[in-house]
Amino acid sequence: AQSVSQHNHHVILSEAASLELGCNYSYGGTVNLFWYVQYPGQHLQLLLKYFSGDPLVKGIKGFEAEFIKSKFSFNLRKPSVQWSDTAEYFCAVNGGQAGTALIFGKGTTLSVSS
Amino acid sequence: EAGVAQSPRYKIIEKRQSVAFWCNPISGHATLYWYQQILGQGPKLLIQFQNNGVVDDSQLPKDRFSAERLKGVDSTLKIQPAKLEDSAVYLCASSLDTEEAFFGQGTRLTVV
Repeated sequence: AQSVSQHNHHVILSEAASLELGCNYSYGGTVNLFWYVQYPGQHLQLLLKYFSGDPLVKGIKGFEAEFIKSKFSFNLRKPSVQWSDTAEYFCAVNGGQAGTALIFGKGTTLSVSS
Repeated sequence: EAGVAQSPRYKIIEKRQSVAFWCNPISGHATLYWYQQILGQGPKLLIQFQNNGVVDDSQLPKDRFSAERLKGVDSTLKIQPAKLEDSAVYLCASSLDTEEAFFGQGTRLTVV
């Protein structure tokens, strides 16, 4: 069955700490991979995406993610978090074919203290 | 560029009542999705439209949920009758094929 697993339910960090959020997926065939973020009171918005090419992708606000095909993983990283990074983070996957819907993980809540 | 518009933002109803949500996608986006997000979980696809045709409604509880997308633009999602377990945020999103999906603010439904 197609699924996305996020390992951390709630992560608490101090400002300037490094961040890594784990994501593994189960999906047959070609995949597109995404990280979405939802800041308090706001809608889901795209942080970064991987379709093909360089497996290390860079997104907005200093975030990056690495696609490791052999491990079915797409972990999100940021070298130094800020208080404003407090949000919920969702990993998602869809098939490479046109018009396939996103399958989301359960999300990870990140709390950053100043 | 205008985003995905949804209304209402909040709705409280009693169980067994009916409720409808409305979504206006980004102009030109042929694909429209309705997702259900229960507290503590990720969004789960309910139904996907391509223009005004249904692509995937395998996870839509069809005994109580219905959705339509007339003229391939706006869409409505209806629940009749509502159950307590339908309490969730209902998200509408639109996209151009496999490109990123753009989400609306969602409608938070509370069934009491």
